[in-house]
Amino acid sequence: QSALTQPRSVSGSPGQSVTISCTGTSSDVGGYNYVSWYQQHPGKAPKLMIYDVSKRPSGVPDRFSGSKSGNTASLTISGLQAEDEADYYCCSYAGSYRVFGGGTKLTVL
Amino acid sequence: EVQLVESGGGLVKPGGSLRLSCAASGFTFSSYSMNWVRQAPGKGLEWVSSISSSSSYIYYADSVKGRFTISRDNAKNSLYLQMNSLRAEDTAVYYCARDIRYSYGFDYWGQGTLVTVSS
Repeated sequence: QSALTQPRSVSGSPGQSVTISCTGTSSDVGGYNYVSWYQQHPGKAPKLMIYDVSKRPSGVPDRFSGSKSGNTASLTISGLQAEDEADYYCCSYAGSYRVFGGGTKLTVL
Repeated sequence: EVQLVESGGGLVKPGGSLRLSCAASGFTFSSYSMNWVRQAPGKGLEWVSSISSSSSYIYYADSVKGRFTISRDNAKNSLYLQMNSLRAEDTAVYYCARDIRYSYGFDYWGQGTLVTVSS
């Protein structure tokens, strides 16, 4: 049950696009199409942004998109806005357990 | 409106026990798998345990297996986490989270309850 690997931090200017990667193994990310992404602002509960690799829950802007290739999933945020500054976590189903990434801090410059 | 409200957190000594509760409302609780996810102070998210809608399937993270027990009471719309043999490294905010229907992901979260294990 090893954590998925995410970059510790990414940054971008308003209006730009950023991509956050999430690398696992064939036992988790690569083995199932059940990768989800969460946004967490300081002191708040996480919020679901993407599920099933690329599906967006209702209410999540289409600026947020997800994809997967092999053992690596990615979250892309286009048209960055100040309110996108937060921590982002990926999570994968892995059969008998779930595993999160270590989290990525997104800074909007 | 879906609501998940955790309770039962607090300060406990190493080796002690605590029982967390999560009261669910605004949806048909008995139709959804539920989970506990924790976050140590200043750290990332860690999945703790999952339970299927009818309690037929229960899973635990290796870090809590044998010490924690997840359960639910569909008649009371409630989820529980019995935590025994607590360690300092169990100190965290514990979130109750609902699984997406027919998939694996957490679509609703509670506000969390803080568990502090310290002498």
